[in-house]
Amino acid sequence: ETGVTQSPTHLIKTRGQQVTLRCSSQSGHNTVSWYQQALGQGPQFIFQYYREEENGRGNFPPRFSGLQFPNYSSELNVNALELDDSALYLCASSFGLAGGISYNEQFFGPGTRLTVL
Amino acid sequence: DAKTTQPPSMDCAEGRAANLPCNHSTISGNEYVYWYRQIHSQGPQYIIHGLKNNKTNEMASLIITEDRKSSTLILPHATLRDTAVYYCIVRVLNDYKLSFGAGTTVTVRA
Repeated sequence: ETGVTQSPTHLIKTRGQQVTLRCSSQSGHNTVSWYQQALGQGPQFIFQYYREEENGRGNFPPRFSGLQFPNYSSELNVNALELDDSALYLCASSFGLAGGISYNEQFFGPGTRLTVL
Repeated sequence: DAKTTQPPSMDCAEGRAANLPCNHSTISGNEYVYWYRQIHSQGPQYIIHGLKNNKTNEMASLIITEDRKSSTLILPHATLRDTAVYYCIVRVLNDYKLSFGAGTTVTVRA
């Protein structure tokens, strides 16, 4: 059983650019959540995808968007990058019931470190 | 979501029990207490969760007070590899997100 993987590990972009981060969920999981973790802070929920549809969103602007594919892997896209977007981006997968509700723990990947210059 | 309060940091001697407190005085009856930890440069790792009864697994024990306003995570024999940030989270079972606070930075010293 493979765990949650994310790519790339590190990424450097300049302000105004766009970025795509990728996540492969753990085998058997159908739900993917994305979190942003600024330096020295706890992770903040961005959104969750269940069966290819967004079913929950945190307090992030629309320039943060995502996709989930039929194999339950996922992408996080961020447009018009700002300096404050520099953070560790974490993906977590779980097995969700109807509506993406998961009674079990979420399994996190190692994250992608994004630096915006 | 109910908020939690944790001490910002604590030290523990290797081989001794580490007792991590968490205050959640506004917890609702249907909210569970979850604990995750994050070792440096890794994603958070689930430890344990419970509603009102004490729980134990291979990683830790969770003690929840009778009024559910606070809890303690116990690492029975701390090792250097337990050095991490520990997050106490309260969550209703059907909430899709985890709301992390600042957590407690635990340093296990040899």
